[in-house]
Amino acid sequence: DTAVSQTPKYLVTQMGNDKSIKCEQNLGHDTMYWYKQDSKKFLKIMFSYNNKELIINETVPNRFSPKSPDKAHLNLHINSLELGDSAVYFCASSQEGTRDYEQYFGPGTRLTVT
Amino acid sequence: AQTVTQSQPEMSVQEAETVTLSCTYDTSESDYYLFWYKQPPSRQMILVIRQEAYKQQNATENRFSVNFQKAAKSFSLKISDSQLGDAAMYFCAYRSAGGNKIIFGKGTRLHILP
Repeated sequence: DTAVSQTPKYLVTQMGNDKSIKCEQNLGHDTMYWYKQDSKKFLKIMFSYNNKELIINETVPNRFSPKSPDKAHLNLHINSLELGDSAVYFCASSQEGTRDYEQYFGPGTRLTVT
Repeated sequence: AQTVTQSQPEMSVQEAETVTLSCTYDTSESDYYLFWYKQPPSRQMILVIRQEAYKQQNATENRFSVNFQKAAKSFSLKISDSQLGDAAMYFCAYRSAGGNKIIFGKGTRLHILP
């Protein structure tokens, strides 16, 4: 039973294409996140949703658009892909309002733009 | 803004020996959480240990323990009896008690020598 799942795990596409990455959590958490890990392994938050409401929106190109159809899902859509978008994208979830602040991460999606 | 610094990009330790990974952080807040995450080659992010800033006692999880020095803003990870399976990237991370996002350090790659 995977707590936080992402699809696909690998994605190879050409510049200019539009692609989506899906994330689902079955932990009953109310907050979900997208992180980007670049080629130097640096991890940085991109977005966070709490109960389908956007609460964190870091400096990310507007080609990236998160969508949360319900609190168990947070998808990431990327338009007009560029070479610099190549990275590993992690989804995570947590339950806010408690002292358990751990974020549970998905397995990551490796995006390669050629 | 909060920052997390890991000054050791890579470290090596002999199997069964003890190794300490360093981490310092900068914050003006008094209530926060600190984490060490492990990322093995599978790229899954795994929480190793966490520390609540209001607790003076250092956290311990089996062979993993931390040395939390709040005044010095230092949070080092000690791995005792190192095992081959400990080989991974280790990320130190900070989270404000009142916020949602985790701020990661740049990571330390740990090699275990047989």
